[in-house]
Amino acid sequence: DGGITQSPKYLFRKEGQNVTLSCEQNLNHDAMYWYRQDPGQGLRLIYYSQIVNDFQKGDIAEGYSVSREKKESFPLTVTSAQKNPTAFYLCASSTPGQGYNEQFFGPGTRLTVL
Amino acid sequence: KQEVTQIPAALSVPEGENLVLNCSFTDSAIYNLQWFRQDPGKGLTSLLLIQSSQREQTSGRLNASLDKSSGRSTLYIAASQPGDSATYLCAVKPAGVVMDSSYKLIFGSGTRLLVRP
Repeated sequence: DGGITQSPKYLFRKEGQNVTLSCEQNLNHDAMYWYRQDPGQGLRLIYYSQIVNDFQKGDIAEGYSVSREKKESFPLTVTSAQKNPTAFYLCASSTPGQGYNEQFFGPGTRLTVL
Repeated sequence: KQEVTQIPAALSVPEGENLVLNCSFTDSAIYNLQWFRQDPGKGLTSLLLIQSSQREQTSGRLNASLDKSSGRSTLYIAASQPGDSATYLCAVKPAGVVMDSSYKLIFGSGTRLLVRP
């Protein structure tokens, strides 16, 4: 079955801790994305990557970091510098390039700061 | 700056009713518009994708229309069922001059739909 997996489903973090959210896809997509969703709101782009070993900041990158060492994996680290990290995090992938490509989404990780 | 608005924020209808969800966007320069469904605590499921050159797309009981010039899209759900209860999000892919702006989707805040048995 082709798709996007995210783990864990729920994550709890103490203040001052860094945590890493996993995103894996077997759709053979070059492009991958991380979005954040707050209650009652739409999604906002954190980081995106169009190809292995390259990534770009989105609209709300402060306090987050990513890596893209493998085509199928795009982990997101929420650092202690992120002041309000409690949110629902969604990973997506697509064929590369701007324009008409469709994005496909994973099931999400809910992060709560204790 | 592209902004996407969905009204109403919440909608409750009796089972069997036909209904329309609205999405408006401020900049007509888009590559495409997508409608998604999101169940509570879950990820997004793509329902329909309309390219900028298209006027509508249909899938089963769903029909989405696009009027780029007026910055509007509607999602029509025929013969609604309780299983249709979810949040529906629309998102546009901007076709701006700046390269980076074309990689991301701009989302509305969604319409929460409840179909009552």
